[in-house]
Amino acid sequence: NAGVTQTPKFRVLKTGQSMTLLCAQDMNHEYMYWYRQDPGMGLRLIHYSVGEGTTAKGEVPDGYNVSRLKKQNFLLGLESAAPSQTSVYFCASSSTGTRGGETQYFGPGTRLLVL
Amino acid sequence: KNQVEQSPQSLIILEGKNCTLQCNYTVSPFSNLRWYKQDTGRGPVSLTIMTFSENTKSNGRYTATLDADTKQSSLHITASQLSDSASYICVVSAYSSASKIIFGSGTRLSIRP
Repeated sequence: NAGVTQTPKFRVLKTGQSMTLLCAQDMNHEYMYWYRQDPGMGLRLIHYSVGEGTTAKGEVPDGYNVSRLKKQNFLLGLESAAPSQTSVYFCASSSTGTRGGETQYFGPGTRLLVL
Repeated sequence: KNQVEQSPQSLIILEGKNCTLQCNYTVSPFSNLRWYKQDTGRGPVSLTIMTFSENTKSNGRYTATLDADTKQSSLHITASQLSDSASYICVVSAYSSASKIIFGSGTRLSIRP
């Protein structure tokens, strides 16, 4: 039982390049989330999904796209990376939405540097 | 505006001492408040979750309190250990939607031997 895993752990991109971050969970959770964490700021929600085949925008969705083709996977894509997207990206999952007090389980993070 | 403010930003204490971290929020309508521990280079891990009707919750040496009237929460750590060195994040969820999850910027706690 690995929980939430993220691939890759670290990546360096040049401005304009594209990449996909992969999040996988083995807890059969319905809800999955992508956050970014910047120095001195709280985690900010990029996109989230309430089930397979569904996605929704969070607080800072611009420049990112997501897909949830399989229940256990949630992909975050950057079509044309910008230096402002340099950050640490965390994926999380929960069995239901957090309004009911359900715990979110976080992955170890992906550190992205855009030059 | 939905906000979560934490204080202090950073704190250094000696091993074995107690400490209290503060969280003030303006998130509405309030659903629940969580405290997370985030070790350097790792993802956050849940410590406690409190709903509107709960005013205290313990998890080992960690005790969280919630005053829904004043919209304040605190996390008390008893008999600190070196492994308590981490960032502690206060997170408040609103009833309005699955996306209304507001994270504080955290308190960085350092325990010195």
